[in-house]
Amino acid sequence: DTAVSQTPKYLVTQMGNDKSIKCEQNLGHDTMYWYKQDSKKFLKIMFSYNNKELIINETVPNRFSPKSPDKAHLNLHINSLELGDSAVYFCASSQVAQTGQFFGPGTRLTVL
Amino acid sequence: GQQLNQSPQSMFIQEGEDVSMNCTSSSIFNTWLWYKQEPGEGPVLLIALYKAGELTSNGRLTAQFGITRKDSFLNISASIPSDVGIYFCAGQSGSSNTGKLIFGQGTTLQVKP
Repeated sequence: DTAVSQTPKYLVTQMGNDKSIKCEQNLGHDTMYWYKQDSKKFLKIMFSYNNKELIINETVPNRFSPKSPDKAHLNLHINSLELGDSAVYFCASSQVAQTGQFFGPGTRLTVL
Repeated sequence: GQQLNQSPQSMFIQEGEDVSMNCTSSSIFNTWLWYKQEPGEGPVLLIALYKAGELTSNGRLTAQFGITRKDSFLNISASIPSDVGIYFCAGQSGSSNTGKLIFGQGTTLQVKP
């Protein structure tokens, strides 16, 4: 059984387009996250939601908008995509904020 | 902002050798986590440490939460080819309850059979 799943696995799109990445966890966790991994493999948190409420919003452009319809799902919508948005985006979840986080398989976004 | 310095950046070792990597921080963390990432996949949690001085093992892996709360190390004993991957340390500050993880730069491990 997949614990944290993301779709799509790969996303190739043109600059200026709008795209969404979906994330679902079946672990019964209360907290979900979005991370960005750049070409040097550096992982940086973008957002965190606890019980559908936004609790972390790092200095991310407002073109990025997370949405949590329920505590098992956290989607990421990106408007007006730019070349610099190309990266691997990971969703993660944890039981509560101060415990180990479990990561999804990632979505590789390529903006042309 | 908070930063973690992870070393070494990369290691190329012979199968059967032991491996050691560490992370240091200029600030205190209340939780230390160690992850392994293989190509095309997400980071997988290996060991979680929640108490200063804690020493925890997971098979051939052993990790410790430094007494000062500013460092942690991961040891892998008797390495095998499937240990290949990028190992990340990550720390959580106790100053907030947001779950924000700060990641190290990663240690790329290659094992020669």
